[in-house]
Amino acid sequence: SAVISQKPSRDICQRGTSLTIQCQVDSQVTMMFWYRQQPGQSLTLIATANQGSEATYESGFVIDKFPISRPNLTFSTLTVSNMSPEDSSIYLCSVEGYRGSETQYFGPGTRLLVL
Amino acid sequence: DAKTTQPTSMDCAEGRAANLPCNHSTISGNEYVYWYRQIHSQGPQYIIHGLKNNETNEMASLIITEDRKSSTLILPHATLRDTAVYYCIVRVEGSGYALNFGKGTSLLVTP
Repeated sequence: SAVISQKPSRDICQRGTSLTIQCQVDSQVTMMFWYRQQPGQSLTLIATANQGSEATYESGFVIDKFPISRPNLTFSTLTVSNMSPEDSSIYLCSVEGYRGSETQYFGPGTRLLVL
Repeated sequence: DAKTTQPTSMDCAEGRAANLPCNHSTISGNEYVYWYRQIHSQGPQYIIHGLKNNETNEMASLIITEDRKSSTLILPHATLRDTAVYYCIVRVEGSGYALNFGKGTSLLVTP
């Protein structure tokens, strides 16, 4: 399966600041996604990261709050902007199209606590 | 994607088979059944998927009913490390769409 890393693995941040999360996969993939998992909840899709174009956001998520980049086929970033305690969650990236596979694989997640 | 229904929680004794059911009565002909699990807030781990035939890999077996309206994930010899939340998800393979996670089944494997 895909080898996916996320940085940082966890962080504690002050409200009003921003954090950029990196997702790196060890081989080119066609699709990359960003999810959020709030405490005690299931995963919710934030957006699809599109290579070379703007990300596609789900209802309730906006680019100003969660800007996303995908400069190439193995890397993406998610920024959580102007953070509040409600942003405390696990943020996960996933990939599809790894070495021709149509299965989605997930990174280990970034645990964010906003004080 | 079709909606799935799973029990909220299940228990299983270590060494016994864990059978996790999933209902997906509105599944379409081109939709696959996928199973993932999430161990203690780690990233979800892919387990297995299938269309209509039963599937087996080194982790588990997937049994899909003939009418495809339900399926069962079988962990043949559960261990304490199999304690996790198990998600049954229905989607078109390779659709490029994200996975729609429900609440899943919280499986507790006991000594």
